[in-house]
Formats: sequence, C-alpha cells, structure tokens
Amino acid sequence: DVKVTQSSRYLVKRTGEKVFLECVQDMDHENMFWYRQDPGLGLRLIYFSYDVKMKEKGDIPEGYSVSREKKERFSLILESASTNQTSMYLCASSLRGIFGNEQFFGPGTRLTVL
Amino acid sequence: AQTVTQSQPEMSVQEAETVTLSCTYDTSESDYYLFWYKQPPSRQMILVIRQEAYKQQNATENRFSVNFQKAAKSFSLKISDSQLGDAAMYFCAYRSEDSNYQLIWGAGTKLIIKP
Repeated sequence: DVKVTQSSRYLVKRTGEKVFLECVQDMDHENMFWYRQDPGLGLRLIYFSYDVKMKEKGDIPEGYSVSREKKERFSLILESASTNQTSMYLCASSLRGIFGNEQFFGPGTRLTVL
Repeated sequence: AQTVTQSQPEMSVQEAETVTLSCTYDTSESDYYLFWYKQPPSRQMILVIRQEAYKQQNATENRFSVNFQKAAKSFSLKISDSQLGDAAMYFCAYRSEDSNYQLIWGAGTKLIIKP
C-alpha cells in the first residue's frame, strides 16, 4: 500500500514562529503536493513538486515556501506564521502523467497559530 | 478557468438506503477526468471513483456509481445500501487532460448516516 506520512497530526505555534511541516511518501512517486483545507473552501493547492528540487506555485503560495531535497520528502515552510494560516494541511503524492490520476494523501496536520 | 461546485454542504441518509451527492463543473475542454474522494473523520482522504470524460459508460465501484452527464456538466455520486462507514466528507474534483497534476476541488459534502 502507498503510504504518505506527515510529521505531526496537531501543531500549535505562535505568531511569527517559523514552522516546518514534513511529508514522506514510500512509493517512489514523482509528484508531491501541499494543500490547505478550510471548511467550505475545499482543498486549495499551495505548492506542487514534480521532481527533486523542482517546485511550482499553486493557487495560494503567499506566506509559504517548500523544499524537496529528496524524492520521498516534501517540506512546507511557514517563514513567519500568522493566525490566518491556522488550518488543516494535507500532503499528497502521485505518479507522473496519466498514471498520476490518483493522488494519495497523508493524514493531515491541523495547525493552530496563536 | 475550471470550477467545481458541490451545492449540498450536508446530506443525511438512513442506513441501507440510497443517497446521491451532486457535483457540477464548468469547463470549455472536451477531455478531462472527474473524481470523487472520501475523507472519513480523522482519517486519510481516499479515492472513491473516477471517470474519464471520453467514456460514455458511467463508472461503478461496488456500491458506488456515478451519473456522468457531459453535456450538462454534471457528475453525481450514488451510494447504494448506505453503511455507517460511509459517513465522511465527499469531495468532487476535476483534472484537465493537459495537466500533469492540477486537481480543481469542490467545497465538499458532509454525509451523515443515520442508524
């Protein structure tokens, strides 16, 4: 089974702190994604990576950055956390191309910024 | 730009009965993919069913089936013989054939199963 894990299920941080969310997948997938999930808004793509060291901005990249140094690991960084970044963060991975129709998700990290 | 609309924020159904979740989308493309994902409470999001736009036949997966109306841009999910384990958020998503990755997501429908 494909497994996508995220470093924390729950995280509480203070305004202005630097926050790292980590995601690891074990199926050698090329694509990895970071989404933000808010009630009534569905999932919004923050960043996407299609290969090591490659990244593309999604719909809401402001206030976030990412790092992909190894194929299996994709990190989301909040340089200076703000209260409006309180949300559920979901990581996902998929194969490239038409075989990448299915995205596999991690359990999510619920981040609260005080 | 493509959009996906789920007009039902919440639905409820009696156990063992059938429920239909609606999804409409807006696109000018002719080739694309549609998906239903399920997110159970405190558990991971999983793919329920997918439909390729070029296929006229509606996709089915056991108790889950879709009603794909391409001209009407409608993609509803039917769950037959509802079970308590079907309680979840259900998300409809769209992917362009030209896109390597981008899924456009609906806002989700919370499905409640009444025992």
